[in-house]
Amino acid sequence: DIHMTQSPSTLSASVGDRVTITCRASQSVKSWLAWYQQKPGKAPKVLIQKATTLESGVPSRFSGSGSGTDFTLTISSLQPDDFATYYCQQYEDYPLTFGGGTKVEIK
Amino acid sequence: QVQLQESGPGLVKPSDTLSLTCAVSGYSISSGSWWGWIRQSPGKGLEWIGYIEYSGATYYTASLKSRLTMSVDTSKNHFSLKLNSVTALDTAVYYCVKKEAGWFAFDMWGQGTMVTVSS
Repeated sequence: DIHMTQSPSTLSASVGDRVTITCRASQSVKSWLAWYQQKPGKAPKVLIQKATTLESGVPSRFSGSGSGTDFTLTISSLQPDDFATYYCQQYEDYPLTFGGGTKVEIK
Repeated sequence: QVQLQESGPGLVKPSDTLSLTCAVSGYSISSGSWWGWIRQSPGKGLEWIGYIEYSGATYYTASLKSRLTMSVDTSKNHFSLKLNSVTALDTAVYYCVKKEAGWFAFDMWGQGTMVTVSS
């Protein structure tokens, strides 16, 4: 199985901050990497597919980069609606696997 | 607008079968998309269970494969999950999900349904 490791597990930040979350795969997933946002009591929502492709309707302050084993989700200017938990997920190989999550908290 | 809605018992006894259904609205289940299940528990985070194409082709996670059955009912535009011989480790929020055929992520999720395995 491909193991996905996210860091940090928790991140404290202020509105307006630039935030970076990393995701590392235990083997190459090429660019088959997605990022999701989950708020308490809600289902995850996909933000980015194929490592860098922003989903329709997702604000442009979100961006993804990377390929192979190392990936990054960046929020250029954190907004109040962005405080949530973020997950990466690989879909290069079965079983599909998720990272452990990064909780973005208010500083 | 595509919507997915899970339904099923919130409490299942150990060794029994967990059965969930996902009703799809605003979109034909025969469209060519893949329909699946993901669960989330505090101890294991997000775990992909499997998915099924409208034609019946399935992909299951190996750890659950021996206990798992997924099916599609095109006449009712819904799909189902059956997980037998459940234990407390199967306690989780279960989400039904949709993805496009091919190398795509899950672009639609149901709201999730909590299933507790307990006597």
